[in-house]
Amino acid sequence: GAVVSQHPSRVICKSGTSVKIECRSLDFQATTMFWYRQFPKQSLMLMATSNEGSKATYEQGVEKDKFLINHASLTLSTLTVTSAHPEDSSFYICSARDQRGSNQPQHFGDGTRLSIL
Amino acid sequence: DAKTTQPPSMDCAEGRAANLPCNHSTISGNEYVYWYRQIHSQGPQYIIHGLKNNETNEMASLIITEDRKSSTLILPHATLRDTAVYYCIVRVATGNTGKLIFGQGTTLQVKP
Repeated sequence: GAVVSQHPSRVICKSGTSVKIECRSLDFQATTMFWYRQFPKQSLMLMATSNEGSKATYEQGVEKDKFLINHASLTLSTLTVTSAHPEDSSFYICSARDQRGSNQPQHFGDGTRLSIL
Repeated sequence: DAKTTQPPSMDCAEGRAANLPCNHSTISGNEYVYWYRQIHSQGPQYIIHGLKNNETNEMASLIITEDRKSSTLILPHATLRDTAVYYCIVRVATGNTGKLIFGQGTTLQVKP
């Protein structure tokens, strides 16, 4: 079945560091990928829609300069958390959908647990 | 996209069928019903989706009422590994948009 790979699975770094998370669709092409954030005991919150070859679309309240998204190819989207602070510590999850077919389900990566000290 | 309502939690005995309800009374004619589950500390896993007909795959069955205002996900023989948060989401499936908006889901606890 469709697989979405996310890397790294866990990051621990100091405050002020920028962190890049990669999301790859392994056996399909995706013009659109999605980035979510999940805090403990809460549901997933959509942060932004990543569009191949164009700017990402951010949800209300999400700072685009803080969370940089690049979707340079049909199989790779990256999320960079710039100048991360402890409040950015969270579980970040990406998803992608096979662009062939209009009602294909989205598939999710296994998430990246980000801890800012 | 239409909003869904799910019970916050349910218990099920191992080996028995787990029936998870979802209300989506404002669903539009072109919106699909999707079910995902999230096991602790993992990304959500796709289970099944449907438009108006009942659907079955190797994981589960999806029963959608005739008026499409509610649906039930059925895990025929629940195991301990089915303990997870189950999300019911309705979404328009046109083009490459159609983002998934997650509610609080149902926490299913399968007990021995």
